[in-house]
Amino acid sequence: DTEVTQTPKHLVMGMTNKKSLKCEQHMGHRAMYWYKQKAKKPPELMFVYSYEKLSINESVPSRFSPECPNSSLLNLHLHALQPEDSALYLCASSQQPGAEKLFFGSGTQLSVL
Amino acid sequence: SQQGEEDPQALSIQEGENATMNCSYKTSINNLQWYRQNSGRGLVHLILIRSNEREKHSGRLRVTLDTSKKSSSLLITASRAADTASYFCATDAGSDYKLSFGAGTTVTVRA
Repeated sequence: DTEVTQTPKHLVMGMTNKKSLKCEQHMGHRAMYWYKQKAKKPPELMFVYSYEKLSINESVPSRFSPECPNSSLLNLHLHALQPEDSALYLCASSQQPGAEKLFFGSGTQLSVL
Repeated sequence: SQQGEEDPQALSIQEGENATMNCSYKTSINNLQWYRQNSGRGLVHLILIRSNEREKHSGRLRVTLDTSKKSSSLLITASRAADTASYFCATDAGSDYKLSFGAGTTVTVRA
């Protein structure tokens, strides 16, 4: 299994909603990442988990809250988002921390109304 | 933060032609990677070249790296319609787990 699975594929939420994005990999990878990508722009790193511990937070607003329940799962909890947070949210994993050869999921297209 | 800059921003070629895109970066790196992204999808890793390598091949892909000029190029030979995608270079400065992506080149292959 060489896939990173993200759910849901699409999400529409209001600014007062609470929702969660989920990411799963069964490749035994020990590093997992969240990226945000706006249309026609490159992905921007948000968070890095290394061996299930948060190792990098790229000054992301607290309305985004990551969680790594175990080595296969990564969640991104969303609360009180703004319309400018609408974007494609990509999860990725790599065998070891060090950002060599990332495997990406297909992403969650998020729209905040 | 975005370290790599790519050119051209967009490229349109005929099927069977070669496509070349360039990436420049600002700081010393341990490796440089190229990824492909089809519209609205995740990124797919294509190739990684380390700072002590100058050229690498993988199928129809050829990557070069010039660390003195802080630049890399990706050549796709004998392009196919399925190569239509955005291509991103990404650099790993090595001291942490950050991968910084360039702005990307959008390649359209016309049948």
